[in-house]
Parts: sequence; structure tokens; C-alpha cells
Amino acid sequence: DGGITQSPKYLFRKEGQNVTLSCEQNLNHDAMYWYRQDPGQGLRLIYYSQIVNDFQKGDIAEGYSVSREKKESFPLTVTSAQKNPTAFYLCASSKVGGAEQFFGPGTRLTVL
Amino acid sequence: SQELEQSPQSLIVQEGKNLTINCTSSKTLYGLYWYKQKYGEGLIFLMMLQKGGEEKSHEKITAKLDEKKQQSSLHITASQPSHAGIYLCGALQGGAGNMLTFGGGTRLMVKP
Repeated sequence: DGGITQSPKYLFRKEGQNVTLSCEQNLNHDAMYWYRQDPGQGLRLIYYSQIVNDFQKGDIAEGYSVSREKKESFPLTVTSAQKNPTAFYLCASSKVGGAEQFFGPGTRLTVL
Repeated sequence: SQELEQSPQSLIVQEGKNLTINCTSSKTLYGLYWYKQKYGEGLIFLMMLQKGGEEKSHEKITAKLDEKKQQSSLHITASQPSHAGIYLCGALQGGAGNMLTFGGGTRLMVKP
């Protein structure tokens, strides 16, 4: 079955530590996205990538970094520079050209 | 930048009742997506609307895009507990790429 997976489902981090969230898709999609969702709010775009080895900043990229070395993978690193990292992180993928985005199950990050 | 406002923010209805959720854009909508989210999970695609006046239905859920293409409504007929969750509208941003701007979501509870 094709789909998009995220790991881990829950992640705890101490202040000052970097942490990497995994996102993998086997849908053969060119485009991948990272969103952040805070309680009671909609999604905000962190980074997106439309092709391997290329990515663009979204609305709230500060304190985050990404890489796109493979078509299937788009890991997100939450750095210690992110002042308020506790949130629910969602990864998505799509074909390029206005198609629907498919979402992973999300990772809930809590900073202790 | 485009902004999406959803109303109401939350809604509690008795099972069997009809309900409507609205999504209003600050700019013309070129593509409007409706998603459903169970708490702590990823988003499930419901419908996409592109043309002014377009209406789509899936089971007991109907979505419309108004003629002026700045507002969409999601209507649920004879609500059931399985309809409970967070409903999010997402607008396709103009220009290249598939970037979506999301509304703040509507949290729906259905009382048995």
C-alpha cells in the first residue's frame, strides 16, 4: 500500500537539543511539505520541496532545517534556535501541479 | 498574503442534525480543499473545488464554492458521531507550486 509515514509518533526533547523528525513516502510524489500545528489552530507551512536537492522556506522556517537527498524522504530538524518547538508536526506530499496533498499521521514534539 | 477564516471555530450538534461550516478567503480562491482531522492524527482529504458555483458531495457531506470564488461551505446532513473531528479548509496559493494556506479549523462534536 502506498502512503506517507512519520516517525516517531511522540518525541520528547530537552531544551538546547536538536531533534530530527522523519518523513517517508512511497507515492512517487515529487513535492513534499512540512507543517506545524498548534492547539486550536490551523496548519502553518515550515518548508517545502518540489524536487530532489531543492527546497524552499515557508512562512515559519526560522529555527528549522530540512534536506531532500532522496525523492522518498524529507526529514525535518528542529534546532535549538526554535524558541517554541512544542507542537504537532505534519508531513505531506503531492504531485506537482495543484493536486491534493496526502498527509502523514504526524509527530507530536514536546520540549521538556 | 491570502488569509482563510473558518466559522464557527467549534460546533456541538445533536446526532441527526444538519450543520454548515464556512470558509472565507481574503482573495479569490483558485483551488479550495476540505480536509478532516481526528485529534492527534493526520489530515484526510475530503474534496477539492475549483470552479465558481461548483458543488461536490461525498456520502453525507457536500461542499460548495460560491460564484465569486471567495467563500466555500461544507454541509453535513444528518450528522453522526463518526463525523466528529476538526474540519480544515486549505486554499491553493497563486503562482507555481502546490502551497496551501489553511484556515484555523472548525472543531465538530456530535452528541449521541
